[in-house]
Amino acid sequence: EAGVTQFPSHSVIEKGQTVTLRCDPISGHDNLYWYRRVMGKEIKFLLHFVKESKQDESGMPNNRFLAERTGGTYSTLKVQPAELEDSGVYFCASSPRLSAPQHFGDGTRLSIL
Amino acid sequence: TQLLEQSPQFLSIQEGENLTVYCNSSSVFSSLQWYRQEPGEGPVLLVTVVTGGEVKKLKRLTFQFGDARKDSSLHITAAQPGDTGLYLCAGDGETSGSRLTFGEGTQLTVNP
Repeated sequence: EAGVTQFPSHSVIEKGQTVTLRCDPISGHDNLYWYRRVMGKEIKFLLHFVKESKQDESGMPNNRFLAERTGGTYSTLKVQPAELEDSGVYFCASSPRLSAPQHFGDGTRLSIL
Repeated sequence: TQLLEQSPQFLSIQEGENLTVYCNSSSVFSSLQWYRQEPGEGPVLLVTVVTGGEVKKLKRLTFQFGDARKDSSLHITAAQPGDTGLYLCAGDGETSGSRLTFGEGTQLTVNP
């Protein structure tokens, strides 16, 4: 079974530019989560999809972040415009049902210059 | 806001020694997971504990969930260099849906 895959693995962009991160969950996993770890801090929740619906987006930092999961398969997280404080590692995780163990991808390392 | 305080943040020991990592909170969790993360990779699930007082063993690793489901510990017996890595605890809150609250992690180095 293929794991959670994230693309790109690294991204370096300038402040003000736009970046889109992609996550492909494990096949059949309805629940998809986005998390972020900024330098020196713990991994923090951003949002949770159940299929194509946003179940919980309480962790989204502001309206520069837009997450989508059209068709309930892969998800994208767009940051527009990117700011310096958006630098960090963005993780995606998926699970087959609520409260089941979450399986994480290897993350996208985002650097804003 | 739920918080998980994980300690110690860094731990450097010699091969063969024992160690314990702690995760503490004032909040109750439905379950608590322990993950291990290697550089450049995502967290990999080691174990999930669900019941207060539960103890789970994974070879030389022993995980315990507190009776009140507010704290957990990871004990490693006779540590080996292959145990080196970042250990993370993460709780699934009773009122937070299925989103995870993470501790800051413990960076363990086991020297040969």
